[in-house]
Amino acid sequence: DTGVSQNPRHKITKRGQNVTFRCDPISEHNRLYWYRQTLGQGPEFLTYFQNEAQLEKSRLLSDRFSAERPKGSFSTLEIQRTEQGDSAMYLCASRSSGNQETQYFGPGTRLLVL
Amino acid sequence: DAKTTQPNSMESNEEEPVHLPCNHSTISGTDYIHWYRQLPSQGPEYVIHGLTSNVNNRMASLAIAEDRKSSTLILHRATLRDAAVYYCILGALGRGYALNFGKGTSLLVTP
Repeated sequence: DTGVSQNPRHKITKRGQNVTFRCDPISEHNRLYWYRQTLGQGPEFLTYFQNEAQLEKSRLLSDRFSAERPKGSFSTLEIQRTEQGDSAMYLCASRSSGNQETQYFGPGTRLLVL
Repeated sequence: DAKTTQPNSMESNEEEPVHLPCNHSTISGTDYIHWYRQLPSQGPEYVIHGLTSNVNNRMASLAIAEDRKSSTLILHRATLRDAAVYYCILGALGRGYALNFGKGTSLLVTP
């Protein structure tokens, strides 16, 4: 399967702990996006990368959140000092360059903060 | 960002056509109209997109009003596997064409 993969699929952590999620995009895609989805809502944009450069971050991305894409391939999203409000599904998507190209989503990482 | 308005939920019988409406009265001339759907416990998946002309693919058809202020996603024969949340999204130039999801329409398909 050459789709977008995300690990882990599920994560349970205690409030105050740090967590890190990984996204492996489709190999030839140079754009990578992170979204967050809470129950009953559509996904919300967090940040995106073009190759290794992080070009935009949403105001939703507080300073406890950091994302990297060190070699323009896989990406990580880290949340420090987790809070219960961080409980959500974290989705990664990738696409090739060019306008209006289709985004391909991974299955998401479901985070529960106790 | 230009916004879209969709019904919260719709219901269809299996093997019948489904017409999912979307209003986007503030659409700009360069905004594409995208449709994605999200099956339970999965990430969203692309369905179809268009700019001005009606579009067809193997999954669905997209009918775009002449003034582009509304569009309709058409599933020609609904199956139980089409039960999902359907999102109508306008492509935004900023944020690298990140998708601006609303709440979407939850489609229930009954046998």
